[in-house]
Amino acid sequence: GENVEQHPSTLSVQEGDSAVIKCTYSDSASNYFPWYKQELGKRPQLIIDIRSNVGEKKDQRIAVTLNKTAKHFSLHITETQPEDSAVYFCAASITSYDKVIFGPGTSLSVIP
Amino acid sequence: DAGVIQSPRHEVTEMGQEVTLRCKPISGHDYLFWYRQTMMRGLELLIYFNNNVPIDDSGMPEDRFSAKMPNASFSTLKIQPSEPRDSAVYFCASSFRAVGRLGTYEQYFGPGTRLTVT
Repeated sequence: GENVEQHPSTLSVQEGDSAVIKCTYSDSASNYFPWYKQELGKRPQLIIDIRSNVGEKKDQRIAVTLNKTAKHFSLHITETQPEDSAVYFCAASITSYDKVIFGPGTSLSVIP
Repeated sequence: DAGVIQSPRHEVTEMGQEVTLRCKPISGHDYLFWYRQTMMRGLELLIYFNNNVPIDDSGMPEDRFSAKMPNASFSTLKIQPSEPRDSAVYFCASSFRAVGRLGTYEQYFGPGTRLTVT
């Protein structure tokens, strides 16, 4: 089955700097890659997603890139703010199967 | 819509007791997922339903766990008997599959039930 790895497990950046979280997946049939943000004590919420027919997607300060050949995808957050502090989960899915496999998460701390 | 509703929000029980967690998905959503979250194992998919039918229960840890979805607006996750290692936050999530067009497949999570088994 699908396996999703995520690095780093913790990340600390200064406010205003960029943060990058990287994920790899094992099943070449995966075609949908969402990213969820979970603030402390809250529920995970979708922040951005990308499909396999697209190499990059951007939404304001966040962007995702996908390398299907290498089975890598990444989340980029620019101009980080303290409210970006949270745990970020990458995930991979084969949409025809509906099942989403989450990575272990990255705890991001933005230092004011 | 009020979003996904879960009850109870917190549950403390003694080892050996039966625990029932409840979920009401967003109206109109046709998929429902049960997840367990712990520090050690992260976010694990336990089981998911499509149109009230269980599709994949391979994540259910053992026979002590069972889940049902008797109708489109209600699901339960039951643990009997409960054990201390079952202590975790249990999330229910729902989604709407936009069949035939490019939907987002976004999963909407409930607030979770924090279960503590002593």
